[in-house]
Amino acid sequence: LAKTTQPISMDSYEGQEVNITCSHNNIATNDYITWYQQFPSQGPRFIIQGYKTKVTNEVASLFIPADRKSSTLSLPRVSLSDTAVYYCPLFSGNTGKLIFGQGTTLQVKP
Amino acid sequence: DSGVTQTPKHLITATGQRVTLRCSPRSGDLSVYWYQQSLDQGLQFLIQYYNGEERAKGNILERFSAQQFPDLHSELNLSSLELGDSALYFCASSVGPPATNEKLFFGSGTQLSVL
Repeated sequence: LAKTTQPISMDSYEGQEVNITCSHNNIATNDYITWYQQFPSQGPRFIIQGYKTKVTNEVASLFIPADRKSSTLSLPRVSLSDTAVYYCPLFSGNTGKLIFGQGTTLQVKP
Repeated sequence: DSGVTQTPKHLITATGQRVTLRCSPRSGDLSVYWYQQSLDQGLQFLIQYYNGEERAKGNILERFSAQQFPDLHSELNLSSLELGDSALYFCASSVGPPATNEKLFFGSGTQLSVL
């Protein structure tokens, strides 16, 4: 069963770029890497997904090295509204079990 | 708005009681997932259905059961409730069968308080 490891918390200031790294040493060959954002008392929200190299959308960028044992979510120029918990869950094979770790609590300060 | 509807939003009940949480997936989505989130346990996967069939089960207690109906809505039944069952229960849906590139869309949750 693939497991992910993330820093428990990070602090940043408005306008800075934030990079959150997720370690997934046992990722399976066909596993995609997906990141979710969760605000208090709300359900997680899909941010970005990738398989290898770099993916960018209007919200974030995702960097995946060649060995795919880690991934980095990059949030450009964060604002106070980016304060949230960020997760990089992995599916357990194709079983439907999307397993969330403890996530990274990002606190953006003015 | 994710398009996933969960009812009720809040539920207060007593120990030993039984409750039913309801989830309507996004239009067109065939998969439904249930999660429990508490402060000390984080987001815990409970169970997953695809087109009416159970596909995956997590650490779901025997007192809990779920099903997905022909119209694709799902219900999570919690019985013999204990104080420790107090948590936020999320439903999520996705388009197809479980696959690693599936994107889940979560509802806003049902906050269950067992007194």
